[in-house]
Amino acid sequence: NAGVTQTPKFRVLKTGQSMTLLCAQDMNHEYMYWYRQDPGMGLRLIHYSVGEGTTAKGEVPDGYNVSRLKKQNFLLGLESAAPSQTSVYFCASSDPGQGARTGELFFGEGSRLTVL
Amino acid sequence: AQSVAQPEDQVNVAEGNPLTVKCTYSVSGNPYLFWYVQYPNRGLQFLLKYITGDNLVKGSYGFEAEFNKSQTSFHLKKPSALVSDSALYFCAVRPAYSSASKIIFGSGTRLSIRP
Repeated sequence: NAGVTQTPKFRVLKTGQSMTLLCAQDMNHEYMYWYRQDPGMGLRLIHYSVGEGTTAKGEVPDGYNVSRLKKQNFLLGLESAAPSQTSVYFCASSDPGQGARTGELFFGEGSRLTVL
Repeated sequence: AQSVAQPEDQVNVAEGNPLTVKCTYSVSGNPYLFWYVQYPNRGLQFLLKYITGDNLVKGSYGFEAEFNKSQTSFHLKKPSALVSDSALYFCAVRPAYSSASKIIFGSGTRLSIRP
């Protein structure tokens, strides 16, 4: 059981370039999330989805877009990368029957993005 | 504003000694409270949660946490620390009956256990 898988794990971009991070989960979870982790700031929610075809903004959505075309996948896009987007990005999912009601999240291993 | 505070950036403990990692919160209404652990170059892993009931919650790897409503705290504890407990620990809170998108994470506490 793979759980939550993120690709790529590492990426270096130049300012202005675009890229997409892919998150895939095999637990049939309805809810999926993208967080960024920066030193001393904990995790901040970028965007989330409560089901296939739906997305919503989190705490820090500017500069990012997302899509949830399939239930198991949640894509995070950077259209024009900026150095301020250098961070570690985590995808997470939860089960509406339990996790979404109480908040337990299942995380991927992270994607480290550096924007030069 | 709703928030979670982890007042210590780092906690250092000798192996075999008890450990405490502190967490206080501020939310409206009743909270759901969580602890997650992050090992180097890994994602966060769920440790334990408080939803309702007994204030002392037991979780994975021998950890436990005590919910104290009057002090709005949810400190993580372990009676005897192991070197393998060294990791980054996050406290998180979610107001009861809110959506899962309302989970708020603390800034993290790095736990270092010396042999």
